[in-house]
Amino acid sequence: LAKTTQPISMDSYEGQEVNITCSHNNIATNDYITWYQQFPSQGPRFIIQGYKTKVTNEVASLFIPADRKSSTLSLPRVSLSDTAVYYCLVGASGTGGFKTIFGAGTRLFVKA
Amino acid sequence: DVKVTQSSRYLVKRTGEKVFLECVQDMDHENMFWYRQDPGLGLRLIYFSYDVKMKEKGDIPEGYSVSREKKERFSLILESASTNQTSMYLCASSLTERGGTGELFFGEGSRLTVL
Repeated sequence: LAKTTQPISMDSYEGQEVNITCSHNNIATNDYITWYQQFPSQGPRFIIQGYKTKVTNEVASLFIPADRKSSTLSLPRVSLSDTAVYYCLVGASGTGGFKTIFGAGTRLFVKA
Repeated sequence: DVKVTQSSRYLVKRTGEKVFLECVQDMDHENMFWYRQDPGLGLRLIYFSYDVKMKEKGDIPEGYSVSREKKERFSLILESASTNQTSMYLCASSLTERGGTGELFFGEGSRLTVL
């Protein structure tokens, strides 16, 4: 299973764009990259998933270079409510189920 | 909306007790997962199940067992609770999707304290 490495923490200010990078050097051909957000005392919540190049939804963008050994979650114009832990996951569905492994995550703190 | 319900938000048990954590999902998902979350360690996968009566070990299955007798219900069992099992336990479910990994839907968590 591909291991992921993320920064432990990041600080930002309201209104800024935040980019969180995740390294996954051993990503497999079938693996997708998924990001989750977790607030205190809640379970993680899906943000975005991608396989290559760029994916964008109403919440975030995900940039994946051609070699797929890293990915960057981009949060446009963060607000105080974006303070949370962000997890990068790498994995794929397969016959007989699949493991979904979380790393330690990146704690983002947004300041006023 | 998908709802994943965990039976207890907070439990306090004594060392050696048998503990049952129940999880129910209402969206007919094939896959269900149990994680534990500890400060600084993120979420660690204990067990997962991709079908009724099927189970697979995650990264830290020791000291735990699971049961999936019905598609909507996935139970985590601590046969003899120990203090190092004090943790937040999170249940999740997902659909199997062709390519990619299905979105995980989490319950609110069960905080277990073992004295």
